[in-house]
Amino acid sequence: EAQVTQNPRYLITVTGKKLTVTCSQNMNHEYMSWYRQDPGLGLRQIYYSMNVEVTDKGDVPEGYKVSRKEKRNFPLILESPSPNQTSLYFCASSLSRTGGHQPQHFGDGTRLSIL
Amino acid sequence: RKEVEQDPGPFNVPEGATVAFNCTYSNSASQSFFWYRQDCRKEPKLLMSVYSSGNEDGRFTAQLNRASQYISLLIRDSKLSDSATYLCVVPEGGTGRRALTFGSGTRLQVQP
Repeated sequence: EAQVTQNPRYLITVTGKKLTVTCSQNMNHEYMSWYRQDPGLGLRQIYYSMNVEVTDKGDVPEGYKVSRKEKRNFPLILESPSPNQTSLYFCASSLSRTGGHQPQHFGDGTRLSIL
Repeated sequence: RKEVEQDPGPFNVPEGATVAFNCTYSNSASQSFFWYRQDCRKEPKLLMSVYSSGNEDGRFTAQLNRASQYISLLIRDSKLSDSATYLCVVPEGGTGRRALTFGSGTRLQVQP
């Protein structure tokens, strides 16, 4: 089954404790992206990747890191989480390298709470 | 002006009603557009793509007005299962880095 898988689905942690949210897709998609969703603000792009070893900042990259060592995986790293990073996070992938001209497939979401 | 603007609603309509949402965008270079549906706390799912003047899929019709820079979504014969938030999505033109800009969504509540 074609899917985007995120883990964990839920995480409650404390300020400053490094965490990683994994994202994996099995569709051989070129483009992958991370979004955060906050009430009233919609989905905002954090980072995206157009191919292996190619990543770039989105609208709200501060406090986050990503890597794309393999085509299927695109982990999101919070080196020193802070309460303002409490949010619902989505990973998405798209066949198109440009990402914008074909629909994106989303993972189930990860709800992070930073205390 | 926001890049993508939607009326947040909520739109409360009875079953069987016809309802329409509008979405305005500021990037005139955008060529393709999408409507996604998002259920509460779930991932967005593609509802319709709009590549030219419009697209129809069963009870759903999406229309694009490039001159006025808006797209609309029409839902006919509303079902209870249509209750959700509808996200307007506008890609950046060309190979722009941000790829997609999401509206904040319009919430629809269909009532029995």
